[in-house]
Formats: sequence, C-alpha cells, structure tokens
Amino acid sequence: GEDVEQSLFLSVREGDSSVINCTYTDSSSTYLYWYKQEPGAGLQLLTYIFSNMDMKQDQRLTVLLNKKDKHLSLRIADTQTGDSAIYFCAGGSQGNLIFGKGTKLSVKP
Amino acid sequence: DAGITQSPRHKVTETGTPVTLRCHQTENHRYMYWYRQDPGHGLRLIHYSYGVKDTDKGEVSDGYSVSRSKTEDFLLTLESATSSQTSVYFCAILRPAGTSGVVDTQYFGPGTRLTVL
Repeated sequence: GEDVEQSLFLSVREGDSSVINCTYTDSSSTYLYWYKQEPGAGLQLLTYIFSNMDMKQDQRLTVLLNKKDKHLSLRIADTQTGDSAIYFCAGGSQGNLIFGKGTKLSVKP
Repeated sequence: DAGITQSPRHKVTETGTPVTLRCHQTENHRYMYWYRQDPGHGLRLIHYSYGVKDTDKGEVSDGYSVSRSKTEDFLLTLESATSSQTSVYFCAILRPAGTSGVVDTQYFGPGTRLTVL
C-alpha cells in the first residue's frame, strides 16, 4: 500500500523560506495534498496538486512535484511565526488518503 | 469551516469501560472518516463510511466499531477501552470535486482528546 515519509522537524528564522519535503510510494495517487495543523486544532487544507502537474503556486506557498522520484515539497516564502505548526503531506485517490507523520515547523523570531 | 463538530472534545475514562465518540456534519456528504493521531505515527485511519449503514475498516480498526444510521452522524465506539487507545481522534468528511473545489478534499473536525487510565 501507499507509504508517505516526511522529516519530523524543521527550524527556520522568521523571514526565511521553509522547505518541507515528502516522499511517497504509490504513483497512482491522483492528488497530493498539504495540510497544516496548529496546536490543539484539526487539520486544515493548505493546498493540493494534481499528479500530472509539476508545480503549483498559491501566494506564499509553492508546491513542487517530481513524479519520477516520487518527491513532493512545500515551500513557504517569507516564513512568519504564525506559520509554526505541523505540516502533513497526504496522497491518495477516490477520497482515501494516506498521511505522512507530519513535519513540525518551528519559526524563530 | 466544513460544518463538522465532534463530541465530547475531551474525555477521561477507565480501562474496560465503553466509550462512544460522535461526529456530526451539516453538509450531507456521503463519505466520513475516523482517524487517530499519535506522536510518531501521524494520522491513521480507523474506519470510514461511504453512506448510511455502509462502513469499512481502515488501517487500525481492531478494538473499534462504527455506526452510521443517519447521513449527518458517524459514531466511533470503543467497546472496552484500553490504555493504548489514549489518543486524539479526528473525524473528517469528504467534499467531492465540484462542490467547493476541483478535487475531492477531506475536511477535519476539531478532534476529541481521549485519555484511558
């Protein structure tokens, strides 16, 4: 079945760019998603990318997809303290998702 | 806001007692999901439902049962709670492509923190 791997921690300084990486095994995933979880809250959808796209940009967020290497990344430009959270990548199709373990992003002032 | 509520939001119970968690949605979506979140494991699917009285097992279904007698409610039951079931439980619904976006997307409730002593 699908397996999704992420590094567990990332620390950056305010104003820098953050890059969160994810690898997945199932090339049949139709969509790939990024979710954000703030402390004590549920997961919020940040963005998604179709599996036939290479890149998607949405304001400060850039998603890159390398299908050959099954590698997904989320870049947050001009990272702010409010971006501190756990970020999950997820892949799947027909509504069933497999989530990575999450990357905890810490932003230092 | 996807109109998902979970109750209770916090619960402490003792080993061996039955526990039922409720997920309620206001949007009449067909698919609903129960996940648990644990440190080092991320989110893992327990059970999901694809319609009234239609449910299926997920990755970690042992020790859990579910019921869906109405579209809007999806119940998760721990028949005899164990300490290994201490976790944060999230419910999610699936908004199909076309209802609010171009892709099928899961939206999550606020979670229930369950402690089994």
